[in-house]
Amino acid sequence: KAGVTQTPRYLIKTRGQQVTLSCSPISGHRSVSWYQQTPGQGLQFLFEYFSETQRNKGNFPGRFSGRQFSNSRSEMNVSTLELGDSALYLCASNIGQGRTDTQYFGPGTRLTVL
Amino acid sequence: KNQVEQSPQSLIILEGKNCTLQCNYTVSPFSNLRWYKQDTGRGPVSLTIMTFSENTKSNGRYTATLDADTKQSSLHITASQLSDSASYICVVSAGGSSNTGKLIFGQGTTLQVKP
Repeated sequence: KAGVTQTPRYLIKTRGQQVTLSCSPISGHRSVSWYQQTPGQGLQFLFEYFSETQRNKGNFPGRFSGRQFSNSRSEMNVSTLELGDSALYLCASNIGQGRTDTQYFGPGTRLTVL
Repeated sequence: KNQVEQSPQSLIILEGKNCTLQCNYTVSPFSNLRWYKQDTGRGPVSLTIMTFSENTKSNGRYTATLDADTKQSSLHITASQLSDSASYICVVSAGGSSNTGKLIFGQGTTLQVKP
């Protein structure tokens, strides 16, 4: 079974631009979560989608948004990029059946904002 | 304030030795505690997941313990190998109706295993 895939793997943008990141979960997984990882803040939860609906949301500004499609693929969008948005963005999927489901992470998208 | 603190921040051990990583949390309501291993440049990999009623859970050479009364968890690595060199992250779920709930992450412990 293929793992979680994220595209692109690397991205360079300038301040003020917007960016869209994509995540394809493991086949059969209905829950997709997004995380931001930086050296200073570590891993932080952005949001979770389940069956095309946002089910949980972390403490990030409205510039960060996401969506999930009927095939469970998910996209994350960041508008009006700031230098501080430079980070590794990780996507994780799980079956979505319960609180102790194992999460499977993708390799991440490394975003650099200049 | 919900917090997860890990210690030590970094650790160097010789191959074949055992080590224990610590995680203290103040998270309410508690749902479950997870340990992840993250190799450099890769996404985290789940090692163990423990709920309130579980004291110990093993995954090969990794054994996690949970003391819900003192709000402490530990991850013990037995007979370390060079491939154990990674960052180990403790994550606590603050409840919620779904798998993730509100996840609070520790800053991680960086382990280096030397030959």
